[in-house]
Amino acid sequence: NAGVTQTPKFRVLKTGQSMTLLCAQDMNHEYMYWYRQDPGMGLRLIHYSVGEGTTAKGEVPDGYNVSRLKKQNFLLGLESAAPSQTSVYFCASSEQNGLAGGEQFFGPGTRLTVL
Amino acid sequence: DAKTTQPNSMESNEEEPVHLPCNHSTISGTDYIHWYRQLPSQGPEYVIHGLTSNVNNRMASLAIAEDRKSSTLILHRATLRDAAVYYCILLNDYKLSFGAGTTVTVRA
Repeated sequence: NAGVTQTPKFRVLKTGQSMTLLCAQDMNHEYMYWYRQDPGMGLRLIHYSVGEGTTAKGEVPDGYNVSRLKKQNFLLGLESAAPSQTSVYFCASSEQNGLAGGEQFFGPGTRLTVL
Repeated sequence: DAKTTQPNSMESNEEEPVHLPCNHSTISGTDYIHWYRQLPSQGPEYVIHGLTSNVNNRMASLAIAEDRKSSTLILHRATLRDAAVYYCILLNDYKLSFGAGTTVTVRA
């Protein structure tokens, strides 16, 4: 049982390049989330999903897109990366609604640098 | 949005209890109080959560004030592995936001 895994662990992009971050969970959780964490700050919710085929905007969705084609995977895309998107990205999943009371399980994070 | 206020840092000696306060004076009746912690270079880890009553689990206890405007996370016997940033978060709706948290240092 690997829990929540994220790929890649590190990535450096040039401004304007695109990339996709992959999050996978093997706990059969319905809910999945993408957060970003900037230096010295807490986490901010980018997008989330309440089930396969659904996505919704969080607190800071601009510049990102997501897809949940399979229950176990949640993809975060950057179509045209900007230096302001330099951050550590965390994926999480929960069985119950993590934003209303359920425990969220977090992945190890992806460190993204945009030059 | 309801916000939380936590001290920036706290220090404790190993094997002693740690009481981490959190103020949330604008909490609404349906906001859950969650605590997560984050060890260096790791993702956040769930600690405990509650709504109105005090809660206990294997990691910690959560004491919630009667008016729910404040709460306290209690680590009964701090170990070196408890050194982390602890976040107090109010959850409702879909506007989750972690604050800066409290950095806990444990002295051996």
